[in-house]
Amino acid sequence: AQSVAQPEDQVNVAEGNPLTVKCTYSVSGNPYLFWYVQYPNRGLQFLLKYITGDNLVKGSYGFEAEFNKSQTSFHLKKPSALVSDSALYFCAVSADNYGQNFVFGPGTRLSVLP
Amino acid sequence: DAGVIQSPRHEVTEMGQEVTLRCKPISGHDYLFWYRQTMMRGLELLIYFNNNVPIDDSGMPEDRFSAKMPNASFSTLKIQPSEPRDSAVYFCASSPGQGRNQPQHFGDGTRLSIL
Repeated sequence: AQSVAQPEDQVNVAEGNPLTVKCTYSVSGNPYLFWYVQYPNRGLQFLLKYITGDNLVKGSYGFEAEFNKSQTSFHLKKPSALVSDSALYFCAVSADNYGQNFVFGPGTRLSVLP
Repeated sequence: DAGVIQSPRHEVTEMGQEVTLRCKPISGHDYLFWYRQTMMRGLELLIYFNNNVPIDDSGMPEDRFSAKMPNASFSTLKIQPSEPRDSAVYFCASSPGQGRNQPQHFGDGTRLSIL
């Protein structure tokens, strides 16, 4: 069965500093990995995805994520955090044999402090 | 692209009443998903449709919950009778069918409060 872990409930970072939000996954078959962001009173917004190819994926708003197959991780990163990046971040996984369904992680709340 | 549209945005009703949540997916998307989000349980998939046909409803918590998709541009999630523990934010999402694992596009949700 597919599963996703986000080991940190909360991440605090100072504005201008690099940020990392961690995600590890478990799937049978080739993984398809996604990051979403949720702002207050809004739905989840797609940031980026890894399907195949380069392990470093670039997405919206300056975010990127690194796929590491040996560590089964897909950490979200940004070189310089903005206060406006403060939100709830979800990692999601799907796989070849899992159709169009995703499994979402529990979410990590990112707070960027001015 | 108008995005996924959900209505109402907020619903407050008394226990025992019927609640109907509505969703209009993005035009051309073949898949439609209903999720529930709570602090305690996070984001849970309730049911999803492909080409208007329910594919997996294993996440529907009880017989009080039902979902329909009468056509490609409309879906409903109904709770009858409603209970306080049904209070949550309910999201609808859609995705295109061509190619595997396209991103899901979410609406802004319906915040449901059952008193």
